[in-house]
Amino acid sequence: QKEVEQDPGPLSVPEGAIVSLNCTYSNSAFQYFMWYRQYSRKGPELLMYTYSSGNKEDGRFTAQVDKSSKYISLFIRDSQPSDSATYLCAMSADTDKLIFGTGTRLQVFP
Amino acid sequence: EADIYQTPRYLVIGTGKKITLECSQTMGHDKMYWYQQDPGMELHLIHYSYGVNSTEKGDLSSESTVSRIRTEHFPLTLESARPSHTSQYLCASKGWTEAFFGQGTRLTVV
Repeated sequence: QKEVEQDPGPLSVPEGAIVSLNCTYSNSAFQYFMWYRQYSRKGPELLMYTYSSGNKEDGRFTAQVDKSSKYISLFIRDSQPSDSATYLCAMSADTDKLIFGTGTRLQVFP
Repeated sequence: EADIYQTPRYLVIGTGKKITLECSQTMGHDKMYWYQQDPGMELHLIHYSYGVNSTEKGDLSSESTVSRIRTEHFPLTLESARPSHTSQYLCASKGWTEAFFGQGTRLTVV
């Protein structure tokens, strides 16, 4: 079993929809949580960072962490075609190694 | 904006050639990483370094080698390239919590 599980998609939604992307994990020691966006043939770009449990909002993006359920989410409001990309969750127990999910491919159609 | 650079962006090379993929960062981070990513697939950690003169192999076995003589520089070398090395190689550096990625080198060995 992988330490981090993420549905690979693809997830296809119409423009303006609310998108929910999720990851589950098994290591209760994880306390640093990140979401990355990766466009085709580019490097991952950091979107959101959260420490421990709670919510964090940045514009149209909201990250949620529920450590009791070992579950993290990224919500995208008013989705745009430019949001079409692969979204990777990442987490770590300490400040050294990051463990990545497999990524969810999102397509937002006009 | 993260300052981490990879060169070249694209490389097509013949079997048996020696190649070095360059990665440099200007953020003063001690921790640097190399990941391998096939199209549509997850990131696999192949090498990491926690500082000058420190290098370790990652979770995925790789025939490549790395060096860390300077904090800002973390090159990856393939002594004899093979078609099985065709992939995208991503370099990252990490501060206390978040990791930042370069744009990647897409390597094709023919």
